[in-house]
Parts: sequence; structure tokens; C-alpha cells
Amino acid sequence: AQSVTQLGSHVSVSEGALVLLRCNYSSSVPPYLFWYVQYPNQGLQLLLKYTTGATLVKGINGFEAEFKKSETSFHLTKPSAHMSDAAEYFCAVSPPFSGNTPLVFGKGTRLSVIA
Amino acid sequence: GAVVSQHPSWVICKSGTSVKIECRSLDFQATTMFWYRQFPKQSLMLMATSNEGSKATYEQGVEKDKFLINHASLTLSTLTVTSAHPEDSSFYICSARAGQLTYNEQFFGPGTRLTVL
Repeated sequence: AQSVTQLGSHVSVSEGALVLLRCNYSSSVPPYLFWYVQYPNQGLQLLLKYTTGATLVKGINGFEAEFKKSETSFHLTKPSAHMSDAAEYFCAVSPPFSGNTPLVFGKGTRLSVIA
Repeated sequence: GAVVSQHPSWVICKSGTSVKIECRSLDFQATTMFWYRQFPKQSLMLMATSNEGSKATYEQGVEKDKFLINHASLTLSTLTVTSAHPEDSSFYICSARAGQLTYNEQFFGPGTRLTVL
């Protein structure tokens, strides 16, 4: 079984400050890992994903995440927050051969950006 | 690529009526589609998983007779909320998977806001 824990349901940062959203996972096999973003009243949009290979993954909008197997973590970062980054962020995990099994999502972290 | 559309984007209906929500994969064939429900400021709640031509698999606690899911083709799935009541008011999101070629990524529709009066 797989699970995802997102530490902090709400994170608030100042505009221009570092964004760090934490995600820890549990998986019995090497996982695929995802970060999605959801803006109000919209669906989810993929920010980035890790499957295999390089552990530092770069995504859209200046976000990146690093897969750390020893820490079972996949934290999302952005060097400088922008007002437009305010949204809900979801971390998700999947085994490589999942068939019809859906992604397992964390409970989400709401990011607020203060001017 | 990998666009998923939902229709309608919002709907208001009277209690007791049925509402159908369509989910389409516009530029790929969806081997599997998922339906989620989301309450304000909460995470996604998986309702059911469906494969083309097969009966949907519902999550525990989801009434399959109330939330009818049809996956008639590789590009279309529908969710029908039968005899809707105010407690069914929610944000419904569909998601489609194109298979293992996309590393199990799920592509999401924009969501449908249902309000039952």
C-alpha cells in the first residue's frame, strides 16, 4: 500500500521568498511521484513528476522537486514566490505498474503569498 | 496535448432531478477514467474508477445507484447524479489516464460545480 503525507495544510510566504512544500511518501516499491497544483474552481494541473533517472526534477512555473529515497521525501521548492503561485498543491504517488489503480494523493497544502 | 474537458462547468438544479456530467479526453484515448468529488478546502475524494466498456468500480461508501458512471468509449465517460439533493452539491472532477506510456500520470478536467437547490 502507498500513502502520502503533506506536512502543513497551509503555508504562507512573502512575495519573493523561498517556497518549500513538504511531501513524504510510503511505498513498498520504487514510486512514481507527482506534484499537482489547483487554482480556485479549477481542475488539477501537473507541475512535475519523477519516474526514474535524475532525482532533481524541474517543472513548470519555476518549481522543482527532489526525490530523496533515503528520506522518502519529494519536497517541492521555488526560489522566489510570486503572487500567482497562491493555490492548493497536491503531492501524489503511484507504483510503476499501477494498472487501473489511481494516484494516491496527499491532503494538500494551501499556499498563500503575501505582498 | 493530453487535454480533458468537462461539461457543464457549472450546473444548478432542483432537488429530485438528475444531472449528467460529461468528461472527454480530447487528444488521447483514456484507458481509465476516474471521478472525484471535492468539498471546499478539502482534498479530492475518489468516487469511482472506470474502464471503457466495463462497469465502474466504486469506492466504499459511494452509492452506485445514485452516482451512475458510464464509460462508453475511450474518450468519453459520464457521471449522472440521480435524484440529486442539496447534500450532493459539490465540485466534481474527472481524470483520465492514457496508460503506462505516460508514467501513470492522470490528466484532470476543469471540474463541474453542482449546486442542488
